[in-house]
Amino acid sequence: AQSVTQLGSHVSVSEGALVLLRCNYSSSVPPYLFWYVQYPNQGLQLLLKYTSAATLVKGINGFEAEFKKSETSFHLTKPSAHMSDAAEYFCAVSDQGNAGNMLTFGGGTRLMVKP
Amino acid sequence: NAGVTQTPKFRVLKTGQSMTLLCAQDMNHEYMYWYRQDPGMGLRLIHYSVGEGTTAKGEVPDGYNVSRLKKQNFLLGLESAAPSQTSVYFCASNYGDRVNYGYTFGSGTRLTVV
Repeated sequence: AQSVTQLGSHVSVSEGALVLLRCNYSSSVPPYLFWYVQYPNQGLQLLLKYTSAATLVKGINGFEAEFKKSETSFHLTKPSAHMSDAAEYFCAVSDQGNAGNMLTFGGGTRLMVKP
Repeated sequence: NAGVTQTPKFRVLKTGQSMTLLCAQDMNHEYMYWYRQDPGMGLRLIHYSVGEGTTAKGEVPDGYNVSRLKKQNFLLGLESAAPSQTSVYFCASNYGDRVNYGYTFGSGTRLTVV
């Protein structure tokens, strides 16, 4: 079964600093990969997705992620954190050939941004 | 632009009571899903549906039932609630087209079983 590991359940950065949220997956075949963001008391919103095209994927709000097959990773980055980036972030994967388009989620990383 | 609407938003149940959570989407999506979210565990799939009249089990289906009688609605039922079912429940939907892949999520139902 597919699994997703997000290193660090909590990450704290200063405003203006680099944001790096880590995601590793287990799959022998490159899957589809996603990052979602959840603001307090809201549902999840899609930040970006990798679907076998360019390995560097740009998303909304200045976030991007790089797919590295050799490292089975899909880390999320943003060059300069903003207070509004404080939220919980989820990495998710879906196997190719998954008939139900089902996503497997990581445990989530809560990002805190200090002024 | 309603998207995915979940009702109710909050509910407190006593152990053994039953209830139904309703999910409605107005995007003509084929696929719909129910997830539960627990601290540190991300979201786990309970049941899903790939079309009207079809349902299938996900990762954690025990204690839940679902129905998809109409394409736009996906109901999640708890027949006899247990404290272990205290969680935040999210409904999601998508087109089912592999290229256009993202899920649209509802805002969640926070359920407490006492």
